[in-house]
Amino acid sequence: GQNIDQPTEMTATEGAIVQINCTYQTSGFNGLFWYQQHAGEAPTFLSYNVLDGLEEKGRFSSFLSRSKGYSYLLLKELQMKDSASYLCAVMDSNYQLIWGAGTKLIIKP
Amino acid sequence: ETGVTQTPRHLVMGMTNKKSLKCEQHLGHNAMYWYKQSAKKPLELMFVYNFKEQTENNSVPSRFSPECPNSSHLFLHLHTLQPEDSALYLCASSQDRGGGGETQYFGPGTRLLVL
Repeated sequence: GQNIDQPTEMTATEGAIVQINCTYQTSGFNGLFWYQQHAGEAPTFLSYNVLDGLEEKGRFSSFLSRSKGYSYLLLKELQMKDSASYLCAVMDSNYQLIWGAGTKLIIKP
Repeated sequence: ETGVTQTPRHLVMGMTNKKSLKCEQHLGHNAMYWYKQSAKKPLELMFVYNFKEQTENNSVPSRFSPECPNSSHLFLHLHTLQPEDSALYLCASSQDRGGGGETQYFGPGTRLLVL
C-alpha cells in the first residue's frame, strides 16, 4: 500500500528553527508537495520538490531525497503565525496526491 | 484568498435531509476535486473532474453525488448521510489533471455535522 508518515505534533519556540520530516512509500513518484493549513482554513501551497536537493523560499526550505523516500520542511526564524498544520503529499504514478495526516506545529513565545 | 470559494462554510443536517455543497474557482483551471478531511487523518480524495468530465470516483458511497456543470463550478449533493460522514469537505482545483507537479489550490471547506 501507499503510505506517508509525518509526526503528529511538534512544539518549537518563537525565533527558533524547526524541521518537519516526511517519509513516503508510494507507487511511483511525480513530486512531493508541502502545504500549510491554519485551523479552519484552506490548505495553502508552500513548496514542490521533484528533484533531489534543497529548495529555499524565504524562511521556508524543503528538501527531498528520492532514494531514501524522505523529505523535510525547514522553518527558520519562527513566528507565532507559523502555528498551523503542515501537510506532506506525494504525487504517485497515476498523478494522484497521497497525503500524510499532517503535523500540527505549536509555536511558544 | 486562494481563488476557490465554498458555500456554506458550516452545515448541520439530519440523516434524512438533502443538502448540497457548492464550490467555485476563479482561476481558469480545468480540473476540480472533492476531498474529505477528518480529524487526524489524511485527506481522502473523493471525486475528480477534468474538463467537466468525472475521471475518478474513489469508491465513495452513493449518498454523495457530485455534479460539475462547467469547469468553474462543482457541487456535492448529500442525502441520507451517516454521523460518520461528519468532516471538513474541501474543494480544490488545478490547471489540468494528469501532469506532474500540478499544484492544487484549495477552498476553505465546508464543516459538516450530521446528527
